[in-house]
Parts: sequence; C-alpha cells; structure tokens
Amino acid sequence: GDSVTQMEGPVTLSEEAFLTINCTYTATGYPSLFWYVQYPGEGLQLLLKATKADDKGSNKGFEATYRKETTSFHLEKGSVQVSDSAVYFCALKNYGGSQGNLIFGKGTKLSVKP
Amino acid sequence: ETGVTQTPRHLVMGMTNKKSLKCEQHLGHNAMYWYKQSAKKPLELMFVYNFKEQTENNSVPSRFSPECPNSSHLFLHLHTLQPEDSALYLCASSQDPVSDTQYFGPGTRLTVL
Repeated sequence: GDSVTQMEGPVTLSEEAFLTINCTYTATGYPSLFWYVQYPGEGLQLLLKATKADDKGSNKGFEATYRKETTSFHLEKGSVQVSDSAVYFCALKNYGGSQGNLIFGKGTKLSVKP
Repeated sequence: ETGVTQTPRHLVMGMTNKKSLKCEQHLGHNAMYWYKQSAKKPLELMFVYNFKEQTENNSVPSRFSPECPNSSHLFLHLHTLQPEDSALYLCASSQDPVSDTQYFGPGTRLTVL
C-alpha cells in the first residue's frame, strides 16, 4: 500500500541554520504531496503542497519540490527561526489508491535554539 | 469562533468509564474525520464522514463509536477503553473527501488508566 517515510527526529538547529527534512514516498499513480506542521499544543496546519511532478510548493520560507524520479519531497528552509520549532509531517493523497485518504509519515520534531 | 474546535482538550478516564469527544467546524465543510495520533507512529485515520454519512471505518474497534448529527458536528463516544488507547485524538474537516486540504482541530489528549 501507499506509504510515507520521513527522517527520524528530533532535529536540533541553531537559529539561522539551513534545514532539510527528508521525505520519500511509495505510491501507485500520481499522488499529491503535502507538508503539514504541528506547533506545540495545536492541531496540524497545511504548510505547503505540490500536485504534480517537478512542482515546487512554498510557504513562510519553506520549500519542497515533487521529485517523481526519486519519489521524494524534501522540506527545506534557508534560515530557520526559533518560531519554526514544531513537528513536521510529510503526507500524500492518492486518488488512485488509498481511497484518496491522507497518508502521513511519523513526523519529525524540529527544535531551533537561539 | 473560527476553524475546528475540539472539547475537552484533556481527558483522563478509567477503563470502565463512558465519555465523549466533541468536534465542531465553523468552515462550512461537508467532510469530517477522526484521527488517532500516538507517539512514534504516523497519524491513523479512524473514521470519515461526508454529508453526515460514514464513508470509511478504518477497522476501528467497536469501543470507539462515532456520531455525526450534522455536517458541523462530530462526536467520538468512548467506552471500555484500554490503556493503549491513550493518545491525541484529532478531528479534521475538508470541503469534501476529495479536497486536498484538511483543517485540523487542536486535539483531545486522552489518558486511559
């Protein structure tokens, strides 16, 4: 079945450091890909998405490119802030499989130190 | 209020208790979802409702009983739970089940003693 694998956390960075959180997926067909973020004490919020190969999603300085050849959707940010501390979830939605449900990775906790 | 709200935010219950979780969405959406979030595991989809009708039950034990009286409200009735049911229960909504974006509530942190 469809699945998402993302790097194990926690990830601890200093402010202004470069961030990469790796995400790879397994799916039939052409899924849409997402990054959700969960700040402490809150529910998940959509951070960015891409719906077809080579699309780049971006929001709040974060970017991720849909790479079908490597089945990846890595999240990057050039300069993280303390306020970016949260748990980040990679997810896919596959209308051809998984009945169109969102399939999530386990999440990666990011802590940014001042 | 806006968005998706959940009550209570925290709940502690014994294995013989009966309790209910409530979710309300103020977004005019037609689809609502229950997810279970456990440590070190991916979010698990439990139930999907579309226009008040259950469209998916992801092999959830019968001790979890959902109810959707209208498109804005979703309940999760709990009875004779086990300690391994302790988790964060998240409610979400979307315009319809095909929509890309789901909007999540803050969750109910459930502890079963």
